[in-house]
Amino acid sequence: NAGVTQTPKFQVLKTGQSMTLQCAQDMNHEYMSWYRQDPGMGLRLIHYSVGAGITDQGEVPNGYNVSRSTTEDFPLRLLSAAPSQTSVYFCASSRQGSGANVLTFGAGSRLTVL
Amino acid sequence: AQTVTQSQPEMSVQEAETVTLSCTYDTSESNYYLFWYKQPPSRQMILVIRQEAYKQQNATENRFSVNFQKAAKSFSLKISDSQLGDTAMYFCAFMIGGGATNKLIFGTGTLLAVQP
Repeated sequence: NAGVTQTPKFQVLKTGQSMTLQCAQDMNHEYMSWYRQDPGMGLRLIHYSVGAGITDQGEVPNGYNVSRSTTEDFPLRLLSAAPSQTSVYFCASSRQGSGANVLTFGAGSRLTVL
Repeated sequence: AQTVTQSQPEMSVQEAETVTLSCTYDTSESNYYLFWYKQPPSRQMILVIRQEAYKQQNATENRFSVNFQKAAKSFSLKISDSQLGDTAMYFCAFMIGGGATNKLIFGTGTLLAVQP
């Protein structure tokens, strides 16, 4: 059982370049989300999805796009990278229901934009 | 809007001793959940403990326990018999209940160093 798999683990981009962070889960979780972690600011929600074909914005969505064509995958796209997007990115998933749904996190992707 | 505050950026404890990490939150919701996550140097986010707001009994998981004070909106984490492997960043987090979304709101974290 792989859990939540993020690729790549490290990436260096130049300002203006585009890239996609991949996230896949094999737990049949309905809910998937992307967070960014910056020093002194904790984790902040970028985008989330409660099922295939459904996405919504989180706290810091600007500069990022997402789509959810399958239950398993939730890629995060940076269309024109900026130095302010230098961060560690986490994908997380969980079951969707009325209980205390525990998020399972991926190992993180460190992105540097020069 | 919900907020989570961790007022201790860094803490240090001797091995085998007990340490308490503080967390306060603000919400007008009555149905919610609270979590503590641990992030060791490996960067992996690991669930330590969770608490349902409707439960008065404090959650415990082995050496980890919480002091949940609902009226004061306080949710502290106590680590007993601290071990070197407990060295990590600890995040307090809040989730609105009801299942509409599973959005977690995080505090800024407390970096805990366990000294030998």
